[in-house]
Amino acid sequence: NAGVMQNPRHLVRRRGQEARLRCSPMKGHSHVYWYRQLPEEGLKFMVYLQKENIIDESGMPKERFSAEFPKEGPSILRIQQVVRGDSAAYFCASSTKPSPRSDEQFFGPGTRLTVL
Amino acid sequence: DQQVKQNSPSLSVQEGRISILNCDYTNSMFDYFLWYKKYPAEGPTFLISISSIKDKNEDGRFTVFLNKSAKHLSLHIVPSQPGDSAVYFCAASNGNQFYFGTGTSLTVIP
Repeated sequence: NAGVMQNPRHLVRRRGQEARLRCSPMKGHSHVYWYRQLPEEGLKFMVYLQKENIIDESGMPKERFSAEFPKEGPSILRIQQVVRGDSAAYFCASSTKPSPRSDEQFFGPGTRLTVL
Repeated sequence: DQQVKQNSPSLSVQEGRISILNCDYTNSMFDYFLWYKKYPAEGPTFLISISSIKDKNEDGRFTVFLNKSAKHLSLHIVPSQPGDSAVYFCAASNGNQFYFGTGTSLTVIP
């Protein structure tokens, strides 16, 4: 049973370009969570999605950031017009049920975004 | 605003000795606390948790202590092994979101 997959593992973008980060949850998991870890900081919650629904996006910046989890295919975190401050590690986690408890979430290896 | 703090960015311990990792939090509404372990190039993996109704939880070599009055928790690893070398994150939940500390890098010296 493969774990949570994220790709790409490393992504380099120039300022103003778009970044697309993909997350394939574990088999049977229908709940996806995105976190961001800025340099020298802890992981910070961004958004929680179920299939085709955004449940909680309270941690996501209001502009330039969007997320989706379509019925088929991976969850996508999209950052438009990237700026240097978007450089961070982005982690995805998945669970089988709504999880206010982190121990029920399984994390992917992360995507490290570098904005030049 | 960092609601969960790990003030020691790194810690070195001799193999076989005890490792103590500390974590402080500011929000008294947190009712569930966790420790995650992270190896380089991998995502965090759950290690151990504790509910606010307890003050201690033990799992093998790992024990988490919670001091609610001091808003402090700690992770004890005994005996420490070289394979324990990793970054350890503490996290707290108020039932809605998770708040992570900045991590402590533990090195266990053989």
